[in-house]
Amino acid sequence: EVQLVDSGGGLVQPGGSLRLSCAASGFTFSAYWMNWVRQAPGKGLEWVANIKEDGSEKYYVDSVKGRFTISRDNGKNSLFLQMNSLRAEDTAIYYCARGYTYHIYWGQGTLVTVSS
Amino acid sequence: EIVLTQSPGTLSLSPGERATLSCRASQSVSSSSLAWYQQKPGQAPRLLIYGASSRATGIPDRFSGSGSGTDFTLTITRLEPEDFAVYYCQQYGSSPRTFGQGTKVEIK
Repeated sequence: EVQLVDSGGGLVQPGGSLRLSCAASGFTFSAYWMNWVRQAPGKGLEWVANIKEDGSEKYYVDSVKGRFTISRDNGKNSLFLQMNSLRAEDTAIYYCARGYTYHIYWGQGTLVTVSS
Repeated sequence: EIVLTQSPGTLSLSPGERATLSCRASQSVSSSSLAWYQQKPGQAPRLLIYGASSRATGIPDRFSGSGSGTDFTLTITRLEPEDFAVYYCQQYGSSPRTFGQGTKVEIK
């Protein structure tokens, strides 16, 4: 059974940092692009970043470029999102999702709250 | 960036009725690279349709997708109680991937 388990969210002050993790199981992690998608409270979905199977290509939405870094560890079947210089508008549930195109599998999400 | 506009914002219907949801793109979506998701409160999105009209595994045939270019439609032929939720379209034909703002289907 495919499982994606998101973790690492929490309350952080503006300007602070947080590292999210997504633990994958039930499939060959190294064979898939992976993504982070976020959802602000009461709002819609926003794609944040994705990373190629071997980590050689990474793409970001403009609003997080230079602040967020996506990475992966294929040996540990894990996806990460390092978030620096956090802003109030980064407050959201962050989901990892599998696939380069549409997303069949999603994590349960982890809540990031940026507030003083 | 391709902007997806969904309409209506909210659809108030009764169980058994037909729901028609629209997703309009600001420019042509290549190769009908459009997906539909269903999201219920407190849950992650669930893939319903990909390639504009292909049902994902396990999705009931009361859900159907159609359209091409800039205009796409999700139809639910007879609403079941479990279908009341928020629905999002997503284009994956170009980067960045973008989602529509969602249509809420609520019980009338």
